[in-house]
Amino acid sequence: DTGVSQDPRHKITKRGQNVTFRCDPISEHNRLYWYRQTLGQGPEFLTYFQNEAQLEKSRLLSDRFSAERPKGSFSTLEIQRTEQGDSAMYLCASSLRDSGEQFFGPGTRLTVL
Amino acid sequence: AQSVAQPEDQVNVAEGNPLTVKCTYSVSGNPYLFWYVQYPNRGLQFLLKYITGDNLVKGSYGFEAEFNKSQTSFHLKKPSALVSDSALYFCAVRDIGNTGFQKLVFGTGTRLLVSP
Repeated sequence: DTGVSQDPRHKITKRGQNVTFRCDPISEHNRLYWYRQTLGQGPEFLTYFQNEAQLEKSRLLSDRFSAERPKGSFSTLEIQRTEQGDSAMYLCASSLRDSGEQFFGPGTRLTVL
Repeated sequence: AQSVAQPEDQVNVAEGNPLTVKCTYSVSGNPYLFWYVQYPNRGLQFLLKYITGDNLVKGSYGFEAEFNKSQTSFHLKKPSALVSDSALYFCAVRDIGNTGFQKLVFGTGTRLLVSP
């Protein structure tokens, strides 16, 4: 499968714990995006990488959130001191160019108890 | 800021009938518009996009969308619905971020239910 992959698919954690998600984009795509989707809503943009550089962060991304893309390949999204409001589906997408469509992974569903 | 609106939370249609899922947009400049579909517990799948050119855009799985500049609409259509088309459909518009990159701004989604 040469699509976008995400790991884990599901994560249940207790409030206050740290969690980390991984995204592997389509190999030739240099643009990588993280979105968050809550129930009944469309995905909302969180952050964007072009190669290894994080070029944009949404105001939705509080200081407890950090994302990295070392070497411009896979990306990780870490949430520290999780809160119940962090419960959502976290989607990763990649694209080859700005005008092109973004290809999404299956998402990581986070539940914070 | 760019935005899209999907006025219907749910659309019901019988199998074999034509379907339309509505989307209107609000943009400054030329719109780049997209439709995605989401099946349960899965990510979004790209259906089609409009950047420029013909107002009727053909996409995957027999779907098409009609771009209407005067009505600022980009409705998704299919001549004959299948039960397997039942899913959540999202309209999206490209927005240019502070550093000049593209991000997608999504509507709230429309659930399509196709009955046998």
